[in-house]
Amino acid sequence: SYVLTQPPSVSVAPGQTATLPCGGTNIESKTVYWYQQKPGQAPVLVVYDDTLRPSGIPERFSGSNSGNTATLTITRVEDGDEGDYYCQVWDPTSDHLWVFGGGSQLTVL
Amino acid sequence: QVQLVESGGGLVKPGGSLRLSCAASGFTFSNYYMTWIRQAPGKGLEWVSYINGGSSHTYYADSVRGRFTISRDNAENSVYLQMNSLRAEDTAVYYCARKNLDGDYAGLWGQGTLVTVSS
Repeated sequence: SYVLTQPPSVSVAPGQTATLPCGGTNIESKTVYWYQQKPGQAPVLVVYDDTLRPSGIPERFSGSNSGNTATLTITRVEDGDEGDYYCQVWDPTSDHLWVFGGGSQLTVL
Repeated sequence: QVQLVESGGGLVKPGGSLRLSCAASGFTFSNYYMTWIRQAPGKGLEWVSYINGGSSHTYYADSVRGRFTISRDNAENSVYLQMNSLRAEDTAVYYCARKNLDGDYAGLWGQGTLVTVSS
């Protein structure tokens, strides 16, 4: 079963850059998606197809995928970016077709 | 308005059953796979099931296969999750979501409905 590993927490000061990694074996061979979930709310897609942003998502959000790590980068972090961030891939060999990482809680200091 | 609205959650005893519903609006429902994703209290997201537009293909996580059944009614723009033999570990917020046409991800989510399995 494919496993995605995310650090439980990431902290960053306002205006700085947050880097949220998502580790998986040879993850660069897969397509990675990222969701943001604020407290008490449903998740929202922020990056798809490794690097693309849905309409309405600020350019401050960007994604990359190389080797065994995919990364969500948030530049010029704002208080409103606080929340949980989940990476996700499709893996037909797993017991879950959609595999989610455990999530990273982003705290803006 | 493009949206998904879940209903049907509640408190149920272990071994019991519950049927969740998700009403879609604002898009051509029959064109899309629909999926259920759950989140246990304080935990991460877990994919549960999805169904294609014509109901000919259904897929389940191993953790629910044989106990849960996904279905849809395109005339009613609704998708359902019949949950039987419920266990304490099924306690979660259940989200209905629309799988995007161009990939295996959810571009539209409902607000979720809470299912609590407890005696």
